[in-house]
Amino acid sequence: DAGITQSPRYKITETGRQVTLMCHQTWSHSYMFWYRQDLGHGLRLIYYSAAADITDKGEVPDGYVVSRSKTENFPLTLESATRSQTSVYFCASSARAETQYFGPGTRLLVL
Amino acid sequence: GNSVTQMEGPVTLSEEAFLTINCTYTATGYPSLFWYVQYPGEGLQLLLKATKADDKGSNKGFEATYRKETTSFHLEKGSVQVSDSAVYFCALIRYNNNDMRFGAGTRLTVKP
Repeated sequence: DAGITQSPRYKITETGRQVTLMCHQTWSHSYMFWYRQDLGHGLRLIYYSAAADITDKGEVPDGYVVSRSKTENFPLTLESATRSQTSVYFCASSARAETQYFGPGTRLLVL
Repeated sequence: GNSVTQMEGPVTLSEEAFLTINCTYTATGYPSLFWYVQYPGEGLQLLLKATKADDKGSNKGFEATYRKETTSFHLEKGSVQVSDSAVYFCALIRYNNNDMRFGAGTRLTVKP
């Protein structure tokens, strides 16, 4: 099906482990984004990418790494997970710097 | 910096009541403004948007008008339904910029 998908939908990990969250979109949108959603904060931008091999930091990038080797994929890696990274992570894409379309989210629990 | 402030929830209304969720913004230049809705267990969906001053966005009975003089983009609906129960987010993005800023979200519960 066309659209934007995220995997896994739920993940439990332990402090210090590496975790990669996947995001895939079928629209060939140039822009892709990663947000985290926490109570009281709304959504905060972690990283974004304007095209393959182009990435940039958002509001809260510390502790995260991204890559974009292909237009359709935008994985987010927590190199050494911390409890403060327990959150719901949303991937989004857009054709240009305006309306964004969101995936269903990944709920991450770091123990 | 750019930011969005929206009214705190939760908001609980009876079916067919009038809804207003306030949203004000701070931004340099002329941002585009959005309302997104998030149903339980789902990602955000675009509800409506406005790209310049005095524009009115509308969708599914919801409306919001871009008011530059008051830096506001309040969401309204004349008669809410139980199916409108969700979390609503106000957001802005500056022209030709990728940094979308969201408000904290307002949870709406509509009771039959």
